[in-house]
Amino acid sequence: VQLQQSGPGLVKPSQTLSLTCAISGDSVSSKIAAWNWIRQSPSRGLEWLGRTYSRSKWYNDYAVSVKSRMTINADTSKNQFSLQLNSVTPEDTAVYYCARAFYNWGLDYFDYWGQGTLVTVSS
Amino acid sequence: QSVLTQPPSASGTPGQRVTISCSGGTSNIGSDTVSWYQQLPRTAPRLLIYNINQRPSGVPDRFSGSRSGPSASLAISGLQSEDEADYFCAAWDDSLGGWVFGGGTKLTVL
Repeated sequence: VQLQQSGPGLVKPSQTLSLTCAISGDSVSSKIAAWNWIRQSPSRGLEWLGRTYSRSKWYNDYAVSVKSRMTINADTSKNQFSLQLNSVTPEDTAVYYCARAFYNWGLDYFDYWGQGTLVTVSS
Repeated sequence: QSVLTQPPSASGTPGQRVTISCSGGTSNIGSDTVSWYQQLPRTAPRLLIYNINQRPSGVPDRFSGSRSGPSASLAISGLQSEDEADYFCAAWDDSLGGWVFGGGTKLTVL
């Protein structure tokens, strides 16, 4: 499994941060995985942002801290998922990671990570 | 302020055994599985331990995990220079409805 991230490294305050994670070696529709976004900054450490996963239907979970500003979408035609974070401020500056979680049979852990994208929020 | 509490640093000499603690609560470590990750400088985290004490293929058996109530520990035996890295614990938090991480422990091999 490989996760390849893409997206801009610089976003202006109040604008929307958009990142994409392309999946190879697995399917975004997998019934035993969840597809996550996680960020890391010196001030906040590792912070889980949200996930999307498919079972009988699609589910999305978001961290309370970003729930009102964040959307995760899965694109089955391109086998990828994306992050949109609205109304960004400099506090959103971080390295953003996409990660697969094995999520089944009572188990849940991040087994594959993207390469990380440093996103700086600055005018 | 991370939900899971780890010591900021740990150290040991080659060959020694080092333990890193991760303190949580009944809504996370106490009720759900915990996993551990190693992060080398400028790289993404790597899964070391899942389901409290299970190692993925490729992770040496020098690494082991345990849990006691709302706390977990990562032990590294036969310490090697390449073990110098940051280590993070993580668990799902039922109260928050999301994943929580420890603040990380920087391991120095003296």
